[in-house]
Amino acid sequence: NAGVTQTPKFQVLKTGQSMTLQCAQDMNHNSMYWYRQDPGMGLRLIYYSASEGTTDKGEVPNGYNVSRLNKREFSLRLESAAPSQTSVYFCASSDRTGRWPQHFGDGTRLSIL
Amino acid sequence: RKEVEQDPGPFNVPEGATVAFNCTYSNSASQSFFWYRQDCRKEPKLLMSVYSSGNEDGRFTAQLNRASQYISLLIRDSKLSDSATYLCVLQADSNYQLIWGAGTKLIIKP
Repeated sequence: NAGVTQTPKFQVLKTGQSMTLQCAQDMNHNSMYWYRQDPGMGLRLIYYSASEGTTDKGEVPNGYNVSRLNKREFSLRLESAAPSQTSVYFCASSDRTGRWPQHFGDGTRLSIL
Repeated sequence: RKEVEQDPGPFNVPEGATVAFNCTYSNSASQSFFWYRQDCRKEPKLLMSVYSSGNEDGRFTAQLNRASQYISLLIRDSKLSDSATYLCVLQADSNYQLIWGAGTKLIIKP
């Protein structure tokens, strides 16, 4: 039972490069989320998808785009990476939005040089 | 003021001891509260929800004090495996968003 799977686990980019972080869940959850976690700070929501076909901005959406490809998959794209986007990125899913427990992937450690 | 504040620690506690830490929040309209646990370089995992009447799960007890706007986590008979960072999380309103504290680091020593 894989739960939430993120790829890649590690990535180093140069400033200005683009990349897509992939996330898939096999729990038949409706809602999916992308967070970033920086040292000394709580997780911050980048984008979320309450259900298949919908996406909405979170607290820190600038510089990112997302796609809810189907119920299982939710990708995060950095169009032009900046050093400020160096972070650990977590994808999560839950049965519904809000108070429902969120299940996280292992995270992607992204460094922008 | 941050929406959710936690003492970053670390709390260094001998094995078998009882440890407690709090989390304060600024939005009195906050509706739901949780404690998540995060091991070093791993993903957060739900430890327990926090109910108004307080709740217990084995060695762990969570309390909510709405009047003073804080939640607490008590760990009894601490184990080495309890070493982790404990994240306080709340849902501020009926919307989707969870607000995450930066976490309290706990180190259990033999």
